[in-house]
Amino acid sequence: GAGVSQSPSNKVTEKGKDVELRCDPISGHTALYWYRQSLGQGLEFLIYFQGNSAPDKSGLPSDRFSAERTGGSVSTLTIQRTQQEDSAVYLCASSFYTLYEQYFGPGTRLTVT
Amino acid sequence: TQLLEQSPQFLSIQEGENLTVYCNSSSVFSSLQWYRQEPGEGPVLLVTVVTGGEVKKLKRLTFQFGDARKDSSLHITAAQPGDTGLYLCAGANLGTLTFGKGTMLLVSP
Repeated sequence: GAGVSQSPSNKVTEKGKDVELRCDPISGHTALYWYRQSLGQGLEFLIYFQGNSAPDKSGLPSDRFSAERTGGSVSTLTIQRTQQEDSAVYLCASSFYTLYEQYFGPGTRLTVT
Repeated sequence: TQLLEQSPQFLSIQEGENLTVYCNSSSVFSSLQWYRQEPGEGPVLLVTVVTGGEVKKLKRLTFQFGDARKDSSLHITAAQPGDTGLYLCAGANLGTLTFGKGTMLLVSP
């Protein structure tokens, strides 16, 4: 079946612009996660959605970052007024339920110039 | 803040050699997962260990969870070029994963 998909695969933007990154999870998966992967820094947890519960936003680095999940399926991560330090690969993962195996998408490589 | 330290950060070996990668923390995790990531792709789960002292084998890969559930190791026997990739450990608690920075493994023919 189809895995987790993310779009775009690459995004180059100018400092100060807003960007939206999209994640399509595996159908039927109730949990959705966003991570950021920077060179030499590993995966950094950003935000986590579980069903209709309020999302866990504890990993968002600043108020310029936000995410929503519509209809319990597709999720969008928005970064406002992008900064150069936002450059990274943004990974989305979904799982059937909390703590079940997470399936990752290929990521969106964001470059802020 | 829960931290997972992985060592070594980078490992370059010849085909046929054995290797061990370590994942250590001062925190206790309910479970620990190992992932492998190839360039341009997301991490793929290799194994989940749950019980302290647990040992799991996946062909040439052996995973061990420490008795105190704070550390883990991954041992690869007779490494092959196809084992090349970034190996990540991740500790699970309260629905989220804390990842280590990874060990980049390069296996040359």
